[in-house]
Amino acid sequence: ELKVEQNPLFLSMQEGKNYTIYCNYSTTSDRLYWYRQDPGKSLESLFVLLSNGAVKQEGRLMASLDTKARLSTLHITAAVHDLSATYFCAVDKYNNNDMRFGAGTRLTVKP
Amino acid sequence: KAGVTQTPRYLIKTRGQQVTLSCSPISGHRSVSWYQQTPGQGLQFLFEYFSETQRNKGNFPGRFSGRQFSNSRSEMNVSTLELGDSALYLCASSLAPSGYNEQFFGPGTRLTVL
Repeated sequence: ELKVEQNPLFLSMQEGKNYTIYCNYSTTSDRLYWYRQDPGKSLESLFVLLSNGAVKQEGRLMASLDTKARLSTLHITAAVHDLSATYFCAVDKYNNNDMRFGAGTRLTVKP
Repeated sequence: KAGVTQTPRYLIKTRGQQVTLSCSPISGHRSVSWYQQTPGQGLQFLFEYFSETQRNKGNFPGRFSGRQFSNSRSEMNVSTLELGDSALYLCASSLAPSGYNEQFFGPGTRLTVL
């Protein structure tokens, strides 16, 4: 069964610091996603990673994918308060929208 | 282009009642998936519809059902509500299930069962 593990589950950071969130998945998948969720809100798509070695960056966030290690990372550079949210990774396969989510990482960025 | 819409946004029901939630996908999208989000179980896949057919179903009891109409709009129904059904129900749409088609999520319906 496809399982997705994220760590850490809780992350408290100081503004200006860097940190990485890790996402491991148990079986081969075709697509890996990173989403952001603010309290009481829906999921906002951040990145979709499709191939080994894929790297995508948007602002202070950078995501990468290593399909051989079944690992994706979400790197936060010089964190700011606005990045405070819960971040989820998820995986699925082509021709199958049964997306499996990690438990989420609740990020708090403190001044 | 309008995003995924879900109605109602908030709903309060009592145990034993049934509820119907609605999802209108992005125009042109034909695949609709439903997810349940709870603090204890996280985000879990309920089912997926494409061209009015259920393609996949998650590990939920038969009280959870859904359907899709010819215009791709989808509804999900929960019968005999239980306290544990209180959750945020999210709908996602994509062009089709295959290939590189990303799923886009709606705002969700927050269901509270008393």
